[in-house]
Amino acid sequence: EAEVAQSPRYKITEKSQAVAFWCDPISGHATLYWYRQILGQGPELLVQFQDESVVDDSQLPKDRFSAERLKGVDSTLKIQPAELGDSAMYLCASSLSGSSYEQYFGPGTRLTVT
Amino acid sequence: AQSVSQHNHHVILSEAASLELGCNYSYGGTVNLFWYVQYPGQHLQLLLKYFSGDPLVKGIKGFEAEFIKSKFSFNLRKPSVQWSDTAEYFCAVNPYNQGGKLIFGQGTELSVKP
Repeated sequence: EAEVAQSPRYKITEKSQAVAFWCDPISGHATLYWYRQILGQGPELLVQFQDESVVDDSQLPKDRFSAERLKGVDSTLKIQPAELGDSAMYLCASSLSGSSYEQYFGPGTRLTVT
Repeated sequence: AQSVSQHNHHVILSEAASLELGCNYSYGGTVNLFWYVQYPGQHLQLLLKYFSGDPLVKGIKGFEAEFIKSKFSFNLRKPSVQWSDTAEYFCAVNPYNQGGKLIFGQGTELSVKP
């Protein structure tokens, strides 16, 4: 069964450093999502792509976070500089297209900022 | 603001007990509704979904959920839980005019004692 791949699985970084996460969606999935899940809470959408275009980044802290999906396939989420409050699980999900289809989630990247 | 509320943070049951997990949302328009489950050490996976039609939907592993529009609720049920149902359960809402964005509740941790 096809899965969403994410790397790294775990990342420890110091405050003010840059960090990047990578996601490879299920082949053929046009829509890609990045969510952040703080411990004890549900995931919160950071950014949604349709192919290579950003559809929704209203909750993305754009002063320090950036996301790209240059060829409409895999995607990178970057934080620069990292802050203590960024410690969380970063989840990537993909779906065939938009809201009519199930979102498939990857295993996530656990970020710890020290 | 749109939100999803799950009534219980942690539920402890014995095997064969019946389960009902509450979920309420605050959004006045049309919504798609989901329950996701995260088993220990695994990624989020879809348990069941409601888009339209029969408000009683059946999912995998004997779970079902009922959409009550007048109460803005989508409660999850299972008549007899098993130890293998131990997991965290998330209710999620997709407002109809917001692409694929999922708004998650804070999650309910279910522990089933053998």
